[in-house]
Amino acid sequence: SQKIEQNSEALNIQEGKTATLTCNYTNYSPAYLQWYRQDPGRGPVFLLLIRENEKEKRKERLKVTFDTTLKQSLFHITASQPADSATYLCARPGSGAGSYQLTFGKGTKLSVIP
Amino acid sequence: DVKVTQSSRYLVKRTGEKVFLECVQDMDHENMFWYRQDPGLGLRLIYFSYDVKMKEKGDIPEGYSVSREKKERFSLILESASTNQTSMYLCASRTDTDTQYFGPGTRLTVL
Repeated sequence: SQKIEQNSEALNIQEGKTATLTCNYTNYSPAYLQWYRQDPGRGPVFLLLIRENEKEKRKERLKVTFDTTLKQSLFHITASQPADSATYLCARPGSGAGSYQLTFGKGTKLSVIP
Repeated sequence: DVKVTQSSRYLVKRTGEKVFLECVQDMDHENMFWYRQDPGLGLRLIYFSYDVKMKEKGDIPEGYSVSREKKERFSLILESASTNQTSMYLCASRTDTDTQYFGPGTRLTVL
């Protein structure tokens, strides 16, 4: 089965620093990876999608990388703020008939300390 | 903006009751999904639907069924609620750019 792992359950970081979250996948490289933000008691909200042929993607203070050699995606938040505190999920599509589905990692809870 | 709405934010039911969770999306998306989310287990797919009247089992379909009579509405049914179905239930619809829009979630407690 296609697995996706976020090794850190929690990450604490000082305000203003860059937060880096890691997502690792197994087996073949997916066509894309997605990152979502989830606040307590709420549904996840889509942030970024990066395709296999893209090394890096940016959106404001967010940056995502996709390394097919390491089978890894890194998610960076620069100049982090307390409002960035949330759980961040990465997700990969299934294969074949399951390509419409997403498999989510368990998430990394980020806390930005003022 | 895409809106995915769920019928209840909080729900309390008793063991053995039949429970209906409703989800409605307003963007004409073909694919819709039901997940449950539990601490330490993450988001797990229960059922999904490719289109009206079409459904497929996800990773944990036992104890659940679904109904999709209209494109905008996808219902999750707990035939006989049990305490191990206490969870946060999330509905999502899939855009044509492969991302998913989630509803606000229903926190279900089964006593």
